[in-house]
Amino acid sequence: DAGVTQSPTHLIKTRGQQVTLRCSPKSGHDTVSWYQQALGQGPQFIFQYYEEEERQRGNFPDRFSGHQFPNYSSELNVNALLLGDSALYLCASSFPETTYEQYFGPGTRLTVT
Amino acid sequence: GIQVEQSPPDLILQEGANSTLRCNFSDSVNNLQWFHQNPWGQLINLFYIPSGTKQNGRLSATTVATERYSLLYISSSQTTDSGVYFCAAYYGGATNKLIFGTGTLLAVQP
Repeated sequence: DAGVTQSPTHLIKTRGQQVTLRCSPKSGHDTVSWYQQALGQGPQFIFQYYEEEERQRGNFPDRFSGHQFPNYSSELNVNALLLGDSALYLCASSFPETTYEQYFGPGTRLTVT
Repeated sequence: GIQVEQSPPDLILQEGANSTLRCNFSDSVNNLQWFHQNPWGQLINLFYIPSGTKQNGRLSATTVATERYSLLYISSSQTTDSGVYFCAAYYGGATNKLIFGTGTLLAVQP
């Protein structure tokens, strides 16, 4: 049973650039959530996708956008990168029709220089 | 706003010792999860425990939803237990988004 996968593992970008992170949910899951974890802090909710639509957004600017594909995989896009966007980006999947439990991928560590 | 608080923030143990980590939340929850974050950043599911008590090997957890807290017990700790432990709560609404605590950093020394 494949778990949640994310790519790439690490990424280094320059201020002002754009980045795309990818996530494939756990087998059987249809809902994908994205979280940002700054160093020394707990993960913060960015947004969630279900049926290819954004269902809820956390306190993040419009520079953060996403997409969900028919196979339930998802992308997180960040435009006009700032130094403060440097963080671990975590993807979580779930099947809330039966349980609220979420499972996380290994994360993508983004460094903005 | 909704808050999830964890204590202690840091904990150092000798191998073989027992420990209790606490998670307080500010409102009634629909879901409470405990995670272990390894040094590479992976969040590993430990317990999904909106209420009651569960055990898995040397680890157990208890959530008392009416009193708004959850406890994670680690017995006979091992060096591989080191890392950050997070609790995260889901309060209901349109999505099952999780609100995380600030974590407990556990170091188990041989």
